[in-house]
Amino acid sequence: GESVGLHLPTLSVQEGDNSIINCAYSNSASDYFIWYKQESGKGPQFIIDIRSNMDKRQGQRVTVLLNKTVKHLSLQIAATQPGDSAVYFCAEKPLRENTGNQFYFGTGTSLTVIP
Amino acid sequence: SQTIHQWPATLVQPVGSPLSLECTVEGTSNPNLYWYRQAAGRGLQLLFYSVGIGQISSEVPQNLSASRPQDRQFILSSKKLLLSDSGFYLCAWSGSLSNNEQFFGPGTRLTVL
Repeated sequence: GESVGLHLPTLSVQEGDNSIINCAYSNSASDYFIWYKQESGKGPQFIIDIRSNMDKRQGQRVTVLLNKTVKHLSLQIAATQPGDSAVYFCAEKPLRENTGNQFYFGTGTSLTVIP
Repeated sequence: SQTIHQWPATLVQPVGSPLSLECTVEGTSNPNLYWYRQAAGRGLQLLFYSVGIGQISSEVPQNLSASRPQDRQFILSSKKLLLSDSGFYLCAWSGSLSNNEQFFGPGTRLTVL
């Protein structure tokens, strides 16, 4: 079955530095990926997405890179701020019919920003 | 704009008691709806999803069930709760087209004692 996992369960960075959160996925046929941010006691919030026909996408202070050759996804946060402290999940959508737009989520990386 | 509501926000229930968690979506029609469970410090486990009224797909066998009595209402139930049912339950919705992101509700913290 599909699995999505994260290389680093915890990450601590100094305020102002850049953060990189990594994710490996196992289904080479997955066609859509999302990064979510989850603050304590809240539901996950959409950060950025990328489709399998792209290898890079940029948002405000965030960049997602997709390497389909090694099935690797990363989230880069520029100039990390204390408000970025949260758990970050990658989610993978397998290319299957009749899946109801299902996603499979990794276990998450906890990012702590040190002031 | 679309919004998603869940209630209650927190719930403490004894083992063997029934459960009913409700999720409603506003501002959209014919959404796909999802129930996830998140154990402490863990990722999201998909429990059920629904592509329409009365249509429920289960991802994992368990003592939970789901129902969709109305287009924008999704209910998670149990007849008898187990200790292992404790967790953070999240409802989400997405557009009915493929490759739509999912939007999550605020979650319900369930503690079974």
